[in-house]
Amino acid sequence: DTEVTQTPKHLVMGMTNKKSLKCEQHMGHRAMYWYKQKAKKPPELMFVYSYEKLSINESVPSRFSPECPNSSLLNLHLHALQPEDSALYLCASSQVQTSGNTIYFGEGSWLTVV
Amino acid sequence: GENVEQHPSTLSVQEGDSAVIKCTYSDSASNYFPWYKQELGKGPQLIIDIRSNVGEKKDQRIAVTLNKTAKHFSLHITETQPEDSAVYFCAASMGAGSYQLTFGKGTKLSVIP
Repeated sequence: DTEVTQTPKHLVMGMTNKKSLKCEQHMGHRAMYWYKQKAKKPPELMFVYSYEKLSINESVPSRFSPECPNSSLLNLHLHALQPEDSALYLCASSQVQTSGNTIYFGEGSWLTVV
Repeated sequence: GENVEQHPSTLSVQEGDSAVIKCTYSDSASNYFPWYKQELGKGPQLIIDIRSNVGEKKDQRIAVTLNKTAKHFSLHITETQPEDSAVYFCAASMGAGSYQLTFGKGTKLSVIP
């Protein structure tokens, strides 16, 4: 069982709504990630936080806003999304290592934008 | 940047047979290679990984082999069971604290009872 917990599991939102996805891990990992996955495709990296600081933003539109309140929590704030943003959003975490970070994924939040 | 090719895209095997999935990578600087299993409606689950200083690693019915010279690595599943049915992704990372994984496009494995 994954030790990365995501809520909610399912979310339906309108294009004018504001909502948030939440993620929590208790493995003592200091890197946390947001990925987006469309059907029949591999996960695509969106953001990485390392030691609670944003390290990587893969040119993600500003309607997605990440937040890392502490080393165990990661949020993704959603505002004015488009139907094409409908996807599985995966949170992940890892240690910060000198070679090859072993990344553990949560079960994901299924987002539908109507 | 790194490019990872994964084959086959679909694979059907009879229960009890072996399954092999192959991946090639382009950047010789990559040194960490995880494999993920993703069941329908769930997140990817790490099943095995290998680092470039090792040629082979086994965990019960699952093994991974790495050929650094040829830049390819493979997942071997023996004595397949219906619960092995899933999509499998290989990935490569350049290590040295790299946060980025480059994924293959996935292999849908079906184990026929």
